[in-house]
Amino acid sequence: EVQLVESGGGLVKPGRSLRLSCTASGFTFGDYAMSWFRQAPGKGLEWLCFIRRKTYGGTTEYAASVKGRFTISRDDSKSIAYLQMNSLKTEDTAVYYCTRESPLQENWFDLWGQGTLVTVSS
Amino acid sequence: DIQMTQSPSSLSASVGDRVTITCRASQGISNYLAWFQQKPGKAPKSLIYAASSLQSGVPSKFSGSGSGTDFTLTISSLQPEDFATYYCQQYNSYPFTFGPGTKVGIK
Repeated sequence: EVQLVESGGGLVKPGRSLRLSCTASGFTFGDYAMSWFRQAPGKGLEWLCFIRRKTYGGTTEYAASVKGRFTISRDDSKSIAYLQMNSLKTEDTAVYYCTRESPLQENWFDLWGQGTLVTVSS
Repeated sequence: DIQMTQSPSSLSASVGDRVTITCRASQGISNYLAWFQQKPGKAPKSLIYAASSLQSGVPSKFSGSGSGTDFTLTISSLQPEDFATYYCQQYNSYPFTFGPGTKVGIK
């Protein structure tokens, strides 16, 4: 089955760090770009960051709200994408979704994980 | 950044109704527009990409149209499973941005 499973969410204090993992299965992970999105409680969706596949340099893009604090990376040998989150703020509280770029169109993300909740609170 | 707006923000409709949701971009995005459906407590589900192309497995009662700055999502005959929140998203340029959502409720 083609799927993405996020893990690593939980309760963390402001200023601390957390690393989320996204484990892929059912497809050749290294052939796809990956992205993270989030949704604060009762709010809309927000795109966070993007990592291209290694054949395109594995380069990254970030939203201004997380640039310099969050880092997206990938381990193709393990089929895992990561989101390293540093200097967390209360406003980072959200469900975080891992997504895969569609093979049909660049920058459209057709496969989403179930999400993992991150709560930033003292 | 490209701002996305949606109208209405919410609507009430009956089973069998035809429903249309509008999405507008603050600048031209060609056809780089996707639509998502989200139910409470669930991840978004992709419905349409490239403004009018149906995601595999999505029923044909969903359709999309538009190009440039103005787009629409239409549900031809609303069914109980369609009551949800719908989001449009532009992927023409970074940062990718979403509309605020349209909640479709039961009349």
